[in-house]
Amino acid sequence: KQEVTQIPAALSVPEGENLVLNCSFTDSAIYNLQWFRQDPGKGLTSLLLIQSSQREQTSGRLNASLDKSSGRSTLYIAASQPGDSATYLCAVNAGNNRKLIWGLGTSLAVNP
Amino acid sequence: SQTIHQWPATLVQPVGSPLSLECTVEGTSNPNLYWYRQAAGRGLQLLFYSVGIGQISSEVPQNLSASRPQDRQFILSSKKLLLSDSGFYLCAWSGQYNSPLHFGNGTRLTVT
Repeated sequence: KQEVTQIPAALSVPEGENLVLNCSFTDSAIYNLQWFRQDPGKGLTSLLLIQSSQREQTSGRLNASLDKSSGRSTLYIAASQPGDSATYLCAVNAGNNRKLIWGLGTSLAVNP
Repeated sequence: SQTIHQWPATLVQPVGSPLSLECTVEGTSNPNLYWYRQAAGRGLQLLFYSVGIGQISSEVPQNLSASRPQDRQFILSSKKLLLSDSGFYLCAWSGQYNSPLHFGNGTRLTVT
């Protein structure tokens, strides 16, 4: 059974730091992995989707990597800003979008 | 560009009352549509999934039902709410072939 874990559950950093958020999964047979951002009381915003054949995807200051063999994905945020403060969730696609397995998220606080 | 609208943003309903939450998508045709519930500390739970008009898959047996009367309209309903139905409900859409999910802003439902 696929399980997705995000550690740490919460993270607080000063503005300007480069940081890495982790997502681990137990079954390497995945179609893709998606990273989302959620602001308090709001819906989720899609950040990056990495196909199983890809190693990484980049969007602006965000870079997501995927290592299926080790069951890990990382979301790298460069030069963090207070506006990056949010909860970041990863979801593993185990067959189709009906079978997304979700992590519980990492709550990020970037302090000015 | 595609947009998703979900309303209302907040709702307080007494136990035993009916429920109707509505979601509409603009700027795309034949989307896959989803209803999720998010509970604190428990992650996202897929409730219903639809690949087309009148086609609804229920992922979790419960007090709720869903309907898709039009291509880009998805409705979550209940005839009689329970206290346990309280939560944050999110509508989402995606294209075909495991493309990214896009979420609405959610509805905070409190059953009293």
